[in-house]
Amino acid sequence: GAGVSQSPSNKVTEKGKDVELRCDPISGHTALYWYRQRLGQGLEFLIYFQGNSAPDKSGLPSDRFSAERTGESVSTLTIQRTQQEDSAVYLCASSPTAGEYNEQFFGPGTRLTVL
Amino acid sequence: AQSVTQLGSHVSVSEGALVLLRCNYSSSVPPYLFWYVQYPNQGLQLLLKYTSAATLVKGINGFEAEFKKSETSFHLTKPSAHMSDAAEYFCAVRSSASKIIFGSGTRLSIRP
Repeated sequence: GAGVSQSPSNKVTEKGKDVELRCDPISGHTALYWYRQRLGQGLEFLIYFQGNSAPDKSGLPSDRFSAERTGESVSTLTIQRTQQEDSAVYLCASSPTAGEYNEQFFGPGTRLTVL
Repeated sequence: AQSVTQLGSHVSVSEGALVLLRCNYSSSVPPYLFWYVQYPNQGLQLLLKYTSAATLVKGINGFEAEFKKSETSFHLTKPSAHMSDAAEYFCAVRSSASKIIFGSGTRLSIRP
């Protein structure tokens, strides 16, 4: 079946512009995660959605970052007034539930470059 | 709080040689540990996970990892490296239902 998909695969924007990144999780997966991966670094947790529960936003680095999810489907990560330090690969992952042993399935990521 | 430390940001081995990627964890509760692999320009893929059923965990592509509580380690090994193993490898620990804490990654290079 289809895996996690993300769009766009690459995004180049100018400093100060807003960007919107999209994630389509695997159908039926109730948990969805966003991570940021800066060049040469590990993954940094941003936000987590689980069903209709309030999202865990504890990883969002500033109020310029926000994310929404419609039910148990598509999620969008929005970065307002982008800065050069926002340049990174943004990865989305989904899992069937949020159980401890459940594997997270990752999308290919969106590479964001802020000029 | 849970955390992981990967020793060595870059490891280079010859084709056919043993691969050893080191990971140490910190956890105040029994840990749930993972190894993920990231091939160039691709997303992360689960290699294996520790679920407390067995201390030696076998994963895909011939990799395995051994959980050693006394050493707080979960090192990843493969007896014989292939060129196709060249990738970035991440050790991770689940800190809660909502978060997996990833290490900074180890880039594995394979010399012909």
